[in-house]
Amino acid sequence: KAGVTQTPRYLIKTRGQQVTLSCSPISGHRSVSWYQQTPGQGLQFLFEYFSETQRNKGNFPGRFSGRQFSNSRSEMNVSTLELGDSALYLCASSLRTQGSQETQYFGPGTRLLVL
Amino acid sequence: GQQVMQIPQYQHVQEGEDFTTYCNSSTTLSNIQWYKQRPGGHPVFLIQLVKSGEVKKQKRLTFQFGEAKKNSSLHITATQTTDVGTYFCAGPQNNAGNMLTFGGGTRLMVKP
Repeated sequence: KAGVTQTPRYLIKTRGQQVTLSCSPISGHRSVSWYQQTPGQGLQFLFEYFSETQRNKGNFPGRFSGRQFSNSRSEMNVSTLELGDSALYLCASSLRTQGSQETQYFGPGTRLLVL
Repeated sequence: GQQVMQIPQYQHVQEGEDFTTYCNSSTTLSNIQWYKQRPGGHPVFLIQLVKSGEVKKQKRLTFQFGEAKKNSSLHITATQTTDVGTYFCAGPQNNAGNMLTFGGGTRLMVKP
């Protein structure tokens, strides 16, 4: 099976712009979670989507949003970019069949640099 | 909110030496997961522990889940240069499925 894919892999934006990142989960996986990784804050949960619905949300401002399509592909959007949004954005997919006992498979990430 | 702490933050070892990283959660966890991230890479799932006091082995790696299900450890015997990377533990936030709280990670460096 192909792994989780994320596009683009690298992105440079300027403050105030907005950005959309894409994630395609492993075939058959219905849950997609997004994480932000920075040297200072580490890996932080953004949100999880399952069956096109946001199921869980982390402690991030409303500038961070996402959605999931009927084919389980997911996008996340960050509006009004700030310098502190520079990070590696990771997407993880799982089957989501047994509640908390899930293995999450991470994609390679999108490295976003905000200038 | 839930916090997951990991120590040490960094560890330099000589190839062949053992290595241990410790993970502590502020709350009881339904399970704990371990991931490895190579430099420039993404987290790769290693293992999940579910039962109190559980011990699992993967070749030279030994994982333990504490009796109170609030702490865990990963021990690597006779490290190799291929073990280089950052090891993260993670637990479900409020036992909510895929909403994971990650520890800060332990970065392992191995001198050949």
